[in-house]
Amino acid sequence: DGGITQSPKYLFRKEGQNVTLSCEQNLNHDAMYWYRQDPGQGLRLIYYSQIVNDFQKGDIAEGYSVSREKKESFPLTVTSAQKNPTAFYLCASSMQGNQPQHFGDGTRLSIL
Amino acid sequence: KNEVEQSPQNLTAQEGEFITINCSYSVGISALHWLQQHPGGGIVSLFMLSSGKKKHGRLIATINIQEKHSSLHITASHPRDSAVYICAVKPSGRGTSYGKLTFGQGTILTVHP
Repeated sequence: DGGITQSPKYLFRKEGQNVTLSCEQNLNHDAMYWYRQDPGQGLRLIYYSQIVNDFQKGDIAEGYSVSREKKESFPLTVTSAQKNPTAFYLCASSMQGNQPQHFGDGTRLSIL
Repeated sequence: KNEVEQSPQNLTAQEGEFITINCSYSVGISALHWLQQHPGGGIVSLFMLSSGKKKHGRLIATINIQEKHSSLHITASHPRDSAVYICAVKPSGRGTSYGKLTFGQGTILTVHP
């Protein structure tokens, strides 16, 4: 079945470490997105990519980096520059324009 | 003020009750989405609207573009409907940003048996 796979489901990071969250889709979608969700707040866009080898900053890109070397994959790296990384991270994908977004099950990142 | 506001923030109902969740937005949009987030965190897209009304099973979504308002209704609610319901809009006039959405803070629905 087609869908989006995020891994791992839970992730722990030590202070000062970079960590990479995986997102893979087999829906043949052009666009992919990374969101951050904090308690009591709406999802906020970190980065998005409309096509392979291209990506754009979202509303809260500081302290994060991404790559889009393959259509299926859009990994997110949380760098040590991100001062408050503890959150729930969701990856999504869509076809063009106004098509519904398909979401992964998320990765919960915590700082040790 | 957030561009997308949902009400109520928390909603408790008894099984069988009719439920309404509201979403108001302050920008021009090309589409509005209703999403459901389960306790484990995964999100499912319920509806995408640009006008009028859509129905799927016990769920009904309506939108009034002039009033910048949308509602999600659940008829004959059931405990398995317990989830967070999220409204999101695709603002219009923002170039070629594929699917870039602005989200409400979500409504936590709990349906008791």
